Order: sequence, then structure tokens, then C-alpha cells
Amino acid sequence: EPEVTQTPSHQVTQMGQEVILRCVPISNHLYFYWYRQILGQKVEFLVSFYNNEISEKSEIFDDQFSVERPDGSNFTLKIRSTKLEDSAMYFCASRQTGFSNQPQHFGDGTRLSIL
Amino acid sequence: QKEVEQNSGPLSVPEGAIASLNCTYSDRGSQSFFWYRQYSGKSPELIMSIYSNGDKEDGRFTAQLNKASQYVSLLIRDSQPSDSATYLCAVNPPLGTGGGADGLTFGKGTHLIIQP
Repeated sequence: EPEVTQTPSHQVTQMGQEVILRCVPISNHLYFYWYRQILGQKVEFLVSFYNNEISEKSEIFDDQFSVERPDGSNFTLKIRSTKLEDSAMYFCASRQTGFSNQPQHFGDGTRLSIL
Repeated sequence: QKEVEQNSGPLSVPEGAIASLNCTYSDRGSQSFFWYRQYSGKSPELIMSIYSNGDKEDGRFTAQLNKASQYVSLLIRDSQPSDSATYLCAVNPPLGTGGGADGLTFGKGTHLIIQP
């Protein structure tokens, strides 16, 4: 069964450094998402992406965050100047169409640890 | 403000019994509802989806939706120790909002423990 793949599985970064999290969505999916989950808390929506542009973003997704689809397969989340509170699991998800009754499929996540 | 509420638990159920998990949501126009299972340190895994009022069954799982009461539930029959996990209720915003690309709103999840 096709999967969403994320790399790296664990990223350790010094505060203030830039970090890029990578995702390869399922190949025939058109809608892409990033979520984060701080330890012990709920999964929170960050941003959605369709047709090479941001469709929706939450209040968490401020100017330090950016997303990009640099080629036909990768979807990246960049955090420009990391803060301690950015430590979390980051999940990429994809959905085949824009119909809300289609489920989103999640990758295994990247654990980001900011020191 | 979109809210999805779940009892955090833990909910402890004997092996072989029925586990009942509940969820309420605040956005009355929400159209699609999903149950995800999350093992500790892992990603959400889709269990069930439901869009219409009533029951939807898939194997040992039954999802129930009551839009008038803004209530979604998940029943797990013949509970197994491997069902022990956190169950996340997720809601998709109303149709037409964000062109179909809206993010899911998750509840905090219910921690389910199946006792052997």
C-alpha cells in the first residue's frame, strides 16, 4: 500500500538554526499538509498546500515557517530560526482529492528536538 | 473556534468486551469525521471515516454519527490487547471552506487500555 514517507525520523538542532523537514506524499495525491504534535498534546494543523501554493494556514504557521514543493515528489517544511518550543513531532499528510470525505494519510513523522 | 472534545481517559476495558469512545464537536456545519489510532510515539493511523448520520461498520469497528447532537462515537467489539492505544477523533470543516484543502481539527484523544 502506498505510504507517505518522511525524513529524517529524528532531527536534533541548536536553537536559532534552520531546519528542513522532508516528505514524499503518496504519488497520485494532490493535497498536502503539515501537522505538529507537542509531547502529550493534541495533533495541530499547520498548513495545507495545493497546486503549488498554500491553501490554508493556522495561527501557529507564522513567518518562521515556510513550505515548498521543490520537485514533483518532495514536500518540505522549513523552520527558519528554531525555538525551544518548536520541539515536537511533525507529521506530513496527503489526500488524493479535495473532497472532505477523503481521508488524510499520515507519514511516520519527524521528531524535532531543539537544544 | 473549532473544538473537538474527547474524554482523555484512560478508559480500561477487559479483553473481549466492547470499548466505547466518544467525541463531540463544535462546528455544526462539519461534514466529515475520522477516527485515528495512535500508538505511543507513532503517527495517526486511519481506523474509520463517517459522513452520514447513523452507523458504519468495518470489521470489529463501528462508527456512529449524530449531526443533530454533534456527536461521533467509535465502538470496538471483541477488544484485543493490541487495541490499546490513543484514539483520536478528527473533524473536517464544512464543505466549501478552503477549497477542500482544510486541515483536520483533532481532539486530544482517548487513551484506551485493554486488560488481558
